[in-house]
This record gives sequence, C-alpha cells and structure tokens, in this order.
Amino acid sequence: GAVVSQHPSWVICKSGTSVKIECRSLDFQATTMFWYRQFPKQSLMLMATSNEGSKATYEQGVEKDKFLINHASLTLSTLTVTSAHPEDSSFYICSALHGYQPYNEQFFGPGTRLTVL
Amino acid sequence: AQSVAQPEDQVNVAEGNPLTVKCTYSVSGNPYLFWYVQYPNRGLQFLLKYITGDNLVKGSYGFEAEFNKSQTSFHLKKPSALVSDSALYFCAVRDMDNYGQNFVFGPGTRLSVLP
Repeated sequence: GAVVSQHPSWVICKSGTSVKIECRSLDFQATTMFWYRQFPKQSLMLMATSNEGSKATYEQGVEKDKFLINHASLTLSTLTVTSAHPEDSSFYICSALHGYQPYNEQFFGPGTRLTVL
Repeated sequence: AQSVAQPEDQVNVAEGNPLTVKCTYSVSGNPYLFWYVQYPNRGLQFLLKYITGDNLVKGSYGFEAEFNKSQTSFHLKKPSALVSDSALYFCAVRDMDNYGQNFVFGPGTRLSVLP
C-alpha cells in the first residue's frame, strides 16, 4: 500500500521556461503533501507543505512565486518551477502523508531530476 | 524545536561485517522515529520506524534500530552488511506530542560496503 508517483522522472529544459512536476498518491487520499529539494550528496530541504484545497505553506527562503504549488485534489499536487534558471537544477522529491494523527507518516515519490540549460 | 543529528557523513564497512549508522535526536515530547534509505537518483524508501514498545525495532532488508531514550539515540544496525546496502541513509523524527510539527530529517550518512 501507500504508493506515491512522480512525473516526469527527469526533465531537461531551456532557461526561462516553466516546468511542471506532478505528485500523485496512487492508492490513498492525501490531504497533505510535501515538496523537497535535494542537492547532490546532501540532505532533503523542505520547500513547502501542500494542503488540499488551500494555499501551500512555504519554508523560509523559498520563493512562492518561483515555485508554484497546487493541490487541487486529494491525490494530486503539482510543483511548477516558473522561469527556470540553471540554479534551479536539482532533484525534487515529493511525499504524501498517510494515516491518522499522530501516527501518520510520509511516503515518498521516486523524485524528479530537473536540469535547466 | 526538533532536530536530528547524524554525526558521520560517511561510514565504510567490509562486506559481511556488522554495520551501525548513528542517529541522535532532540524533541520536547515523545519521539516518532524513522530510518529511510536512498539509492542514487531515487526517492526515499522506508526501512523502519519506532513509535512505542520494544526498543529494538526490526525493519526491511535485515535492518534493525535500537531506541535509547536516555541517550536520545536511534542507531541503525545490521548484523552482516551487503555491498547492495551501499546507499544514503536518513534518520527522521517527529514530535508525537506536537501534532503541528513536521518531520525533521538528519543530514544523511553515506554507507559504503566494500567487497
């Protein structure tokens, strides 16, 4: 159970374009999803918490106009990197919360490798 | 505030030898602890978790972890390492008594199992 998918698994784009990454919970409904960014050989950096039907909560230092998050359904959250630049190149990972407080836990997607040329 | 420390950036162990990856945590309430493994260009895979009960938790792929409340530690162990265990390992904690708190991840420890 509790499978999370991400699409695409990798994407290469030109500087200045926008890229959308999808995160889906395949066999459960997730009111809360998380978006992380990971630089090579480093830990996860939480970017934002995505709540279904409401605005995402962004971590300090993360530009909300740069990284648009939409959680329009209980199984889908999207991250759009707007006007991407080479410094946005990274590995982006989403997770979805499953279960009931306080025993709920995160299930992670396989990640999306973004390369901006 | 919650925090997780993984004091070793890198752990090297010979195949067949026991391995330990260290984790210490800090929470104000009761801890909800996790270990995850990440292979190159992949997401995080769940290994095991501790909520309450027996201090020794058994998980996937022969891994286990020991919860030590007095030392606020949750070290990951395996009796006999395999080359295929080489990966990046993350410890995470959540404060059970503060539901609004997010999960906090440690910086990760890279495990290399040498043949």
